[in-house]
Amino acid sequence: AQSVTQLDSQVPVFEEAPVELRCNYSSSVSVYLFWYVQYPNQGLQLLLKYLSGSTLVKGINGFEAEFNKSQTSFHLRKPSVHISDTAEYFCAVSGGNKLVFGAGTILRVKS
Amino acid sequence: DVKVTQSSRYLVKRTGEKVFLECVQDMDHENMFWYRQDPGLGLRLIYFSYDVKMKEKGDIPEGYSVSREKKERFSLILESASTNQTSMYLCASGKGLGLYEQYFGPGTRLTVT
Repeated sequence: AQSVTQLDSQVPVFEEAPVELRCNYSSSVSVYLFWYVQYPNQGLQLLLKYLSGSTLVKGINGFEAEFNKSQTSFHLRKPSVHISDTAEYFCAVSGGNKLVFGAGTILRVKS
Repeated sequence: DVKVTQSSRYLVKRTGEKVFLECVQDMDHENMFWYRQDPGLGLRLIYFSYDVKMKEKGDIPEGYSVSREKKERFSLILESASTNQTSMYLCASGKGLGLYEQYFGPGTRLTVT
């Protein structure tokens, strides 16, 4: 069975600072990994996904994530955040016929 | 532009009422999903469907049922609503399982009093 742990429930950061949102997963099979973002009062939308190939994955809005198989991690990064990045971010793993989501990390960008 | 719509953004129901949440997608996706979202718990899968009239239980199916009579429509039913079903409900659709992304609706915030 798959599981996902997002290590921080909230991350406060100042505008234009870099940010890293941490995600660890466990799975007994090959995995596909996803990051979704949920802006206030909206559904989730896909930021990026890792299926295979290069371990560094680039997504929308300047986000990127690195798949690290030995550490079973898939951390999300952005070199310089904006106020508009304030949202909740979900890491998810798929090893079979469904997605398993982490508990979410709320990113609060302060001016 | 892909679209998943849900019948209501906000819903208030009384304990014991039968509640229907409707979801429609316009992308001709085979797979549809119902999740509930609670603070600190992320999204938990209630049911999913991989074809018309086909359904499978997710992680928390108790107290819920689903119906999929047409490919584009997937309904979540609370047979007798209870206060512990107060939550945000999210519908999603996807081309396939596993490596395909899911597209989400805006959610229905259900309050059971």
